[in-house]
Amino acid sequence: GAVVSQHPSRVICKSGTSVKIECRSLDFQATTMFWYRQFPKKSLMLMATSNEGSKATYEQGVEKDKFLINHASLTLSTLTVTSAHPEDSSFYICSAPIPDREAEKLFFGSGTQLSVL
Amino acid sequence: AQKITQTQPGMFVQEKEAVTLDCTYDTSDPSYGLFWYKQPSSGEMIFLIYQGSYDQQNATEGRYSLNFQKARKSANLVISASQLGDSAMYFCAMRERPTGFQKLVFGTGTRLLVSP
Repeated sequence: GAVVSQHPSRVICKSGTSVKIECRSLDFQATTMFWYRQFPKKSLMLMATSNEGSKATYEQGVEKDKFLINHASLTLSTLTVTSAHPEDSSFYICSAPIPDREAEKLFFGSGTQLSVL
Repeated sequence: AQKITQTQPGMFVQEKEAVTLDCTYDTSDPSYGLFWYKQPSSGEMIFLIYQGSYDQQNATEGRYSLNFQKARKSANLVISASQLGDSAMYFCAMRERPTGFQKLVFGTGTRLLVSP
């Protein structure tokens, strides 16, 4: 079953509104989570690293005031797209590392398709 | 410079046949990890297989195996006995340390279509 839960799976909003996306780790604690963005028929691009109890680390070119990340607990990270505009329409997906006998492996949520009208 | 290169935008295979999806990588770090993920049309990223740079043997997970050729810096995914449900996008990814929370860099993906 899913080890990383992401909600909502799809959201449509009006331009100028804010949208919150949740990413939860199920049955394990995640001090770190990653947020990716994927444009249609393109690869995943890392947006930011979410750190529990501290500020997120953003990749170059990602507006931290536009994409607010909060990692308030060891099982929940949220991405808020503030004042969304049509160019923010995209597929957003989170991931969390799970320790394994070999190495930490990243498991992903099911993704959120954001459409801004 | 491109870290992960997937040169096949699309691949076709007949059901029950084997197929190889190519992936080459570029890193100067001697310690890295390689991943393959499957992304069906629903969008979720499904972990398939992992290979650490120090692993002596090629990784296998059921019908998936990773043909790891370190000197060539290639990590091709082999899917044996293809099934219709294997039709999806496949992404190769690299983390430049086998352990620790490091970000993944993804290739551009290969769309696999399995025909009856």
